[in-house]
Amino acid sequence: AQSVAQPEDQVNVAEGNPLTVKCTYSVSGNPYLFWYVQYPNRGLQFLLKYITGDNLVKGSYGFEAEFNKSQTSFHLKKPSALVSDSALYFCAVRDARAGSYQLTFGKGTKLSVIP
Amino acid sequence: DGGITQSPKYLFRKEGQNVTLSCEQNLNHDAMYWYRQDPGQGLRLIYYSQIVNDFQKGDIAEGYSVSREKKESFPLTVTSAQKNPTAFYLCASSTQGLGQETQYFGPGTRLLVL
Repeated sequence: AQSVAQPEDQVNVAEGNPLTVKCTYSVSGNPYLFWYVQYPNRGLQFLLKYITGDNLVKGSYGFEAEFNKSQTSFHLKKPSALVSDSALYFCAVRDARAGSYQLTFGKGTKLSVIP
Repeated sequence: DGGITQSPKYLFRKEGQNVTLSCEQNLNHDAMYWYRQDPGQGLRLIYYSQIVNDFQKGDIAEGYSVSREKKESFPLTVTSAQKNPTAFYLCASSTQGLGQETQYFGPGTRLLVL
């Protein structure tokens, strides 16, 4: 079985400060990890993914995430937050073994960037 | 949202009625998915299809049905057996090469019960 935990329902950060949205995962095999963002009443937009290779993954809109196998974490980060980053963020995982295409999503973290 | 369309944007269902949500993609993706989103619960997988004329149940398939007659289309029917259908429904699609299967989402359909 695979699972994702996003321990914070909400994260508040001041504009211009660095932001971190936390994600931990559990899979039997190696993980494929994803971050998505959702604006109100919209679909999910893909931000970045970790498949293999460099543990630091860079994505859209200046976001990056660091894969930490020992801590089973994949935290989303951005050096300087913008008000427009305010949205709902989802972490997702799937087992890298062939034949398993199901993504499991966390419950989401609401990010509020305060001007 | 580009490449995947969902219609309608809002849908109202009466008691005992079946309703069908449309999902179309022009990305030439083999796999398509339906998710249900409820506040504070994240996304839960209803059904998925990896190839035309084949589909699999997800975690919450009861009260729902799907078909996959064309590669581009994966409609979801919410049947009268689904007793709590009010939710935001998201369709997604992806390729199927290992490590390539990022899922891309449509804009969603919000289903409300009258």
